[in-house]
Amino acid sequence: EPEVTQTPSHQVTQMGQEVILRCVPISNHLYFYWYRQILGQKVEFLVSFYNNEISEKSEIFDDQFSVERPDGSNFTLKIRSTKLEDSAMYFCASSYPTNEQFFGPGTRLTVL
Amino acid sequence: AQTVTQSQPEMSVQEAETVTLSCTYDTSESDYYLFWYKQPPSRQMILVIRQEAYKQQNATENRFSVNFQKAAKSFSLKISDSQLGDAAMYFCAYRSAGGQGGKLIFGQGTELSVKP
Repeated sequence: EPEVTQTPSHQVTQMGQEVILRCVPISNHLYFYWYRQILGQKVEFLVSFYNNEISEKSEIFDDQFSVERPDGSNFTLKIRSTKLEDSAMYFCASSYPTNEQFFGPGTRLTVL
Repeated sequence: AQTVTQSQPEMSVQEAETVTLSCTYDTSESDYYLFWYKQPPSRQMILVIRQEAYKQQNATENRFSVNFQKAAKSFSLKISDSQLGDAAMYFCAYRSAGGQGGKLIFGQGTELSVKP
Protein backbone atom coordinates (compact mmCIF):
# COMPACT_ATOMS: atom_id res chain seq x y z
CA GLU A 1 0.00 0.00 0.00
CA PRO A 2 1.40 3.44 -0.91
CA GLU A 3 2.54 5.56 2.00
CA VAL A 4 4.02 8.94 2.78
CA THR A 5 7.65 8.79 3.85
CA GLN A 6 9.70 11.36 5.73
CA THR A 7 13.40 11.81 6.38
CA PRO A 8 15.13 12.09 8.71
CA SER A 9 13.16 10.52 11.53
CA HIS A 10 15.02 12.65 14.05
CA GLN A 11 16.99 15.84 13.47
CA VAL A 12 19.03 17.60 16.11
CA THR A 13 20.26 21.10 15.34
CA GLN A 14 21.71 24.14 17.01
CA MET A 15 19.63 27.28 17.42
CA GLY A 16 20.09 29.56 14.42
CA GLN A 17 20.91 26.76 11.99
CA GLU A 18 18.92 25.96 8.89
CA VAL A 19 17.15 22.63 8.60
CA ILE A 20 15.41 20.93 5.71
CA LEU A 21 12.81 18.29 6.39
CA ARG A 22 12.02 15.97 3.52
CA CYS A 23 8.87 14.17 2.51
CA VAL A 24 7.89 11.89 -0.34
CA PRO A 25 4.10 12.06 -0.75
CA ILE A 26 2.00 9.31 -2.26
CA SER A 27 2.73 9.35 -5.97
CA ASN A 28 -0.69 10.23 -7.45
CA HIS A 29 -1.52 12.82 -4.80
CA LEU A 30 -1.70 16.48 -5.72
CA TYR A 31 -2.13 18.25 -2.40
CA PHE A 32 0.65 18.40 0.16
CA TYR A 33 0.72 19.63 3.72
CA TRP A 34 2.95 20.25 6.66
CA TYR A 35 1.71 20.07 10.24
CA ARG A 36 3.57 20.29 13.49
CA GLN A 37 2.95 18.94 16.96
CA ILE A 38 4.76 20.34 19.94
CA LEU A 39 5.16 17.60 22.55
CA GLY A 40 1.94 17.04 24.48
CA GLN A 41 -0.07 19.45 22.34
CA LYS A 42 -2.43 19.17 19.44
CA VAL A 43 -1.46 18.92 15.81
CA GLU A 44 -1.32 22.33 14.11
CA PHE A 45 -1.55 23.15 10.42
CA LEU A 46 1.42 24.95 8.91
CA VAL A 47 0.95 25.08 5.15
CA SER A 48 -0.72 23.46 2.17
CA PHE A 49 0.74 23.25 -1.32
CA TYR A 50 -0.89 22.61 -4.68
CA ASN A 51 0.17 23.10 -8.27
CA ASN A 52 3.62 24.27 -7.21
CA GLU A 53 2.45 27.03 -4.96
CA ILE A 54 1.26 27.62 -1.44
CA SER A 55 -2.53 27.40 -1.27
CA GLU A 56 -2.89 28.25 2.41
CA LYS A 57 -0.64 28.96 5.37
CA SER A 58 -1.14 29.53 9.06
CA GLU A 59 0.13 32.30 11.30
CA ILE A 60 2.88 29.95 12.44
CA PHE A 61 4.27 29.78 8.92
CA ASP A 62 6.25 33.01 8.95
CA ASP A 63 9.20 34.15 6.86
CA GLN A 64 11.47 31.63 8.55
CA PHE A 65 9.60 28.80 6.85
CA SER A 66 9.49 27.85 3.20
CA VAL A 67 8.29 24.86 1.21
CA GLU A 68 9.38 23.50 -2.10
CA ARG A 69 8.70 20.66 -4.45
CA PRO A 70 12.10 20.46 -6.12
CA ASP A 71 11.27 17.49 -8.33
CA GLY A 72 8.34 15.22 -9.08
CA SER A 73 8.55 13.28 -5.85
CA ASN A 74 9.97 15.28 -2.94
CA PHE A 75 8.28 17.94 -0.83
CA THR A 76 10.47 19.87 1.59
CA LEU A 77 10.03 22.17 4.55
CA LYS A 78 12.90 24.54 5.28
CA ILE A 79 13.35 26.44 8.50
CA ARG A 80 15.92 29.15 7.88
CA SER A 81 17.08 30.01 11.38
CA THR A 82 15.78 27.59 13.96
CA LYS A 83 14.57 28.71 17.37
CA LEU A 84 14.15 26.67 20.54
CA GLU A 85 10.38 26.84 20.12
CA ASP A 86 10.63 25.13 16.72
CA SER A 87 11.32 21.87 18.55
CA ALA A 88 8.38 19.66 17.61
CA MET A 89 7.25 16.72 15.55
CA TYR A 90 6.72 17.74 11.94
CA PHE A 91 4.27 15.74 9.87
CA CYS A 92 3.94 15.74 6.12
CA ALA A 93 0.62 14.69 4.60
CA SER A 94 -0.80 14.31 1.13
CA SER A 95 -4.25 13.90 -0.37
CA TYR A 96 -6.25 13.31 -3.59
CA PRO A 97 -8.18 11.89 -5.14
CA THR A 98 -10.07 11.21 -1.91
CA ASN A 99 -10.47 13.75 0.84
CA GLU A 100 -8.47 11.85 3.40
CA GLN A 101 -5.05 13.19 4.22
CA PHE A 102 -2.45 10.49 4.66
CA PHE A 103 0.29 11.28 7.10
CA GLY A 104 3.93 10.36 7.13
CA PRO A 105 5.63 9.00 10.25
CA GLY A 106 6.94 12.44 11.21
CA THR A 107 10.31 14.04 11.80
CA ARG A 108 11.20 14.89 15.35
CA LEU A 109 13.11 18.18 15.35
CA THR A 110 15.15 19.05 18.43
CA VAL A 111 16.67 22.53 18.60
CA LEU A 112 19.42 22.98 21.19
CA ALA B 1 -13.04 30.33 12.39
CA GLN B 2 -13.72 26.69 13.00
CA THR B 3 -12.75 25.09 16.29
CA VAL B 4 -12.67 21.51 17.53
CA THR B 5 -12.93 20.60 21.20
CA GLN B 6 -12.23 17.32 22.92
CA SER B 7 -13.20 17.69 26.54
CA GLN B 8 -11.79 14.37 27.77
CA PRO B 9 -7.99 14.57 28.11
CA GLU B 10 -7.87 10.92 29.26
CA MET B 11 -10.15 7.91 29.06
CA SER B 12 -9.76 4.35 30.23
CA VAL B 13 -11.53 1.17 29.16
CA GLN B 14 -11.36 -2.47 30.09
CA GLU B 15 -10.28 -4.84 27.35
CA ALA B 16 -13.32 -6.14 25.38
CA GLU B 17 -15.51 -3.32 26.67
CA THR B 18 -16.91 -0.35 24.77
CA VAL B 19 -15.74 3.24 25.12
CA THR B 20 -16.97 6.51 23.62
CA LEU B 21 -14.73 9.49 22.97
CA SER B 22 -16.38 12.90 22.67
CA CYS B 23 -15.78 15.68 20.19
CA THR B 24 -17.63 18.91 19.54
CA TYR B 25 -16.91 21.49 16.90
CA ASP B 26 -17.97 24.96 15.95
CA THR B 27 -18.56 26.08 12.39
CA SER B 28 -20.89 28.21 10.34
CA GLU B 29 -20.39 26.02 7.29
CA SER B 30 -23.01 23.53 6.21
CA ASP B 31 -20.75 21.15 4.33
CA TYR B 32 -17.59 19.69 5.81
CA TYR B 33 -15.81 16.50 6.78
CA LEU B 34 -14.99 15.10 10.18
CA PHE B 35 -12.29 12.61 10.98
CA TRP B 36 -10.89 10.62 13.85
CA TYR B 37 -7.16 9.98 13.81
CA LYS B 38 -5.27 7.60 16.08
CA GLN B 39 -1.76 8.40 17.26
CA PRO B 40 -0.02 5.46 18.96
CA PRO B 41 3.24 5.90 20.91
CA SER B 42 5.14 5.82 17.61
CA ARG B 43 3.39 9.17 16.92
CA GLN B 44 2.30 8.12 13.45
CA MET B 45 -1.09 9.65 12.57
CA ILE B 46 -3.48 6.94 11.40
CA LEU B 47 -6.90 7.66 9.96
CA VAL B 48 -9.57 5.72 11.84
CA ILE B 49 -12.84 6.92 10.33
CA ARG B 50 -14.36 9.78 8.35
CA GLN B 51 -17.82 11.31 8.12
CA GLU B 52 -19.26 13.60 5.47
CA ALA B 53 -21.57 16.20 6.97
CA TYR B 54 -24.15 15.79 4.20
CA LYS B 55 -24.60 12.12 5.06
CA GLN B 56 -27.10 11.35 7.78
CA GLN B 57 -25.90 7.80 8.19
CA ASN B 58 -23.20 7.37 10.79
CA ALA B 59 -19.91 5.98 9.49
CA THR B 60 -18.70 2.57 10.63
CA GLU B 61 -15.35 0.83 10.22
CA ASN B 62 -15.27 -2.59 11.85
CA ARG B 63 -15.17 -1.97 15.62
CA PHE B 64 -15.17 1.81 15.19
CA SER B 65 -18.32 3.83 14.69
CA VAL B 66 -19.33 7.44 15.08
CA ASN B 67 -22.37 9.22 16.41
CA PHE B 68 -22.70 12.32 14.27
CA GLN B 69 -25.19 14.89 15.52
CA LYS B 70 -25.03 17.77 13.05
CA ALA B 71 -27.43 20.09 14.84
CA ALA B 72 -25.56 19.63 18.11
CA LYS B 73 -22.19 19.82 16.32
CA SER B 74 -21.13 16.65 18.02
CA PHE B 75 -19.01 13.82 16.61
CA SER B 76 -18.23 11.04 19.05
CA LEU B 77 -16.22 7.89 18.40
CA LYS B 78 -17.33 4.55 19.76
CA ILE B 79 -14.81 1.73 20.03
CA SER B 80 -16.40 -1.67 20.59
CA ASP B 81 -14.64 -4.77 21.90
CA SER B 82 -11.61 -2.68 22.89
CA GLN B 83 -8.23 -4.25 22.32
CA LEU B 84 -4.84 -3.51 23.87
CA GLY B 85 -3.70 -2.17 20.50
CA ASP B 86 -6.37 0.53 20.66
CA ALA B 87 -4.39 2.32 23.36
CA ALA B 88 -3.33 5.62 21.81
CA MET B 89 -4.04 9.32 21.56
CA TYR B 90 -7.16 9.99 19.51
CA PHE B 91 -7.67 13.25 17.65
CA CYS B 92 -10.88 14.57 16.21
CA ALA B 93 -10.40 16.74 13.12
CA TYR B 94 -12.50 19.04 10.93
CA ARG B 95 -12.04 19.95 7.30
CA SER B 96 -14.07 22.32 5.17
CA ALA B 97 -15.66 20.72 2.14
CA GLY B 98 -14.73 23.45 -0.33
CA GLY B 99 -12.20 22.05 -2.80
CA GLN B 100 -9.87 19.14 -2.29
CA GLY B 101 -7.00 20.66 -0.39
CA GLY B 102 -8.41 22.07 2.82
CA LYS B 103 -6.44 22.01 6.06
CA LEU B 104 -7.35 19.80 8.98
CA ILE B 105 -8.23 21.48 12.27
CA PHE B 106 -7.54 19.20 15.20
CA GLY B 107 -8.86 18.94 18.72
CA GLN B 108 -6.59 18.63 21.72
CA GLY B 109 -6.75 14.85 21.77
CA THR B 110 -7.94 12.16 24.17
CA GLU B 111 -5.45 9.68 25.60
CA LEU B 112 -7.08 6.25 25.68
CA SER B 113 -5.68 3.51 27.87
CA VAL B 114 -6.88 -0.08 27.67
CA LYS B 115 -6.67 -2.25 30.77
CA PRO B 116 -6.16 -6.01 30.37
